[in-house]
Amino acid sequence: DTGVSQDPRHKITKRGQNVTFRCDPISEHNRLYWYRQTLGQGPEFLTYFQNEAQLEKSRLLSDRFSAERPKGSFSTLEIQRTEQGDSAMYLCASSLALTQYFGPGTRLLVL
Amino acid sequence: QKEVEQNSGPLSVPEGAIASLNCTYSDRGSQSFFWYRQYSGKSPELIMFIYSNGDKEDGRFTAQLNKASQYVSLLIRDSQPSDSATYLCAVGDAGGTSYGKLTFGQGTILTVHP
Repeated sequence: DTGVSQDPRHKITKRGQNVTFRCDPISEHNRLYWYRQTLGQGPEFLTYFQNEAQLEKSRLLSDRFSAERPKGSFSTLEIQRTEQGDSAMYLCASSLALTQYFGPGTRLLVL
Repeated sequence: QKEVEQNSGPLSVPEGAIASLNCTYSDRGSQSFFWYRQYSGKSPELIMFIYSNGDKEDGRFTAQLNKASQYVSLLIRDSQPSDSATYLCAVGDAGGTSYGKLTFGQGTILTVHP
């Protein structure tokens, strides 16, 4: 499979716990994006990497959220002290130019 | 605040008809426009992109862009029940550090009935 992959696909956690999601982009893509999608809404931009550099973070990304792309390949998104409002689908996308291709997403449920 | 607006629908069309999906955007400087299809519980799947004014055709799909009116549309000809999904319009940033960031509309739910 040469597409974007994400792990885990589903995560259920209790409020206050930390969670970490992983994204593996298409191998030659140097740009990687994280989005969050809630029911009935379009995806909302969270953050963007070009190679290993994090070039932009949305104001949606509170200080409980951190993302890394240490070697310019895979990326992780960590949420600390999860809240019920963090329940959503977390989508990763990668691109070589303007066109972004999405992974299957990680569905997070915070109880 | 850049905005992308879509009619949330649902839009219901009979099988074989043309489905017309519309989108408006607020940032006059936007340069790239995308349509994604999203089945329930799945992630967005790219259908088409368009950068220039006018029409772009790909099989049963035609994207139309009018930058002066800040309007982009997607036509689906010969609609099939398998086209039933949510269609997301996305507008891309270009330049600076926001290269490629997408702003999405809320999506239009399309139902094609036999």
